[in-house]
Formats: sequence, structure tokens, C-alpha cells
Amino acid sequence: EAQVTQNPRYLITVTGKKLTVTCSQNMNHEYMSWYRQDPGLGLRQIYYSMNVEVTDKGDVPEGYKVSRKEKRNFPLILESPSPNQTSLYFCASSSTGTVYEQYFGPGTRLTVT
Amino acid sequence: GESVGLHLPTLSVQEGDNSIINCAYSNSASDYFIWYKQESGKGPQFIIDIRSNMDKRQGQRVTVLLNKTVKHLSLQIAATQPGDSAVYFCVRESVRTGGFKTIFGAGTRLFVKA
Repeated sequence: EAQVTQNPRYLITVTGKKLTVTCSQNMNHEYMSWYRQDPGLGLRQIYYSMNVEVTDKGDVPEGYKVSRKEKRNFPLILESPSPNQTSLYFCASSSTGTVYEQYFGPGTRLTVT
Repeated sequence: GESVGLHLPTLSVQEGDNSIINCAYSNSASDYFIWYKQESGKGPQFIIDIRSNMDKRQGQRVTVLLNKTVKHLSLQIAATQPGDSAVYFCVRESVRTGGFKTIFGAGTRLFVKA
């Protein structure tokens, strides 16, 4: 089954404790992206990657890091999480020929206390 | 800068009626406008897209209209069903050097009354 998976689905952590949210897709997509969703704000793009070893900032990259060492994986790293990073996070992927049609993962709900 | 905004945060329709969800945008430097549907507890799901050089596109029970003169986008759902209850996002996708820029609107929650 074609899908985007994220782990963990739920995470409660404390300020300053480094964490990684994994994202994996099995559709051989070149393009991958991370978003955060907050009430009343829709989804905002954090980082995206056009292909392996090619990443770029979205609209809200501060406090986040990403890497793209393999085509299928695009982890999101929070080196020192803060309470304002409490949010619902989505990973998405698509073919670069059809970036308008992104496939989203199920989401990761992160709470930073 | 670029943005997309929805006219109404919520919309309530009777089952079987047609639904129209509206969206306005600023600037016009976009290659695509897209509608996504998000059901409770799930990630957004692609519905339909329209290129910025088009006025209308139809899918299965859905039609998207793009009025570039007034910078307005709408999603029409025919014969609305309970399964259409969700949050709908209008999204603009712009090609830029080295990648793409994706901007989501705030979303309209559609309630379908039985």
C-alpha cells in the first residue's frame, strides 16, 4: 500500500530534550516536506526537500532541522524543543512532476512542557 | 507577500445540496491552486488542482473555479454527502528557483446535516 508513515504518532516531552520525528514514504517520491498545523492557522511549511541531500527552508524553519540521506526518509529534528513547538506535525511527499498533489502522513502530535 | 484566505471558517449544508467553499488570494505568482480535504484525525488529502492559466476544472462531483480578475477561487461540491464533512483547505503552489513554495489557507469546516 502506498503510504507516508510517521513515528511517533504522539509524543510528550520536556523543554530542551532533543527529539526526532521520523517520516518514510514507499512511493519513490523525490519531494518531501514537513508542516506544522496550529488552530486557526492552517498548515505552515517548515522544511522541504527536492531530492536526496537537497533541502530548503519553508516559512517557519526556526528551531527545526532536517536531513535527507535516503530518498524514502526525511526526519524532522528538534535539537532543543520549546513549548511554542507544541503542535501537530505532518510529513508529505510527492513526485516533483506533480508537487501540487502531495500525500500526507497521519500526523504526529507533539507536546512540549 | 503571497497568501490565501478563506471567506468563512465554517459552512453548514443540507445533505444532497450543493456546497460552495470560497477562497481569496493575494498576488498571482502561482502555478497551481489546489484543494485539500482533511477529515478528523487524518492528514490532508488531495482533491483537485487547477493551473493558474485555467478558469475551471471538474472532477468527480467537484468543480474548481478560478477568477483571476478578482483573485478568487472556489470549490463546488455537488450533492453533498455526510462523508464530505471535513475541513477544506485552499492551497497555492508556486515554482521558484530550487523548489516549490506551498501556502495553505486557514481552512473551512464543512458540516453536512442529514
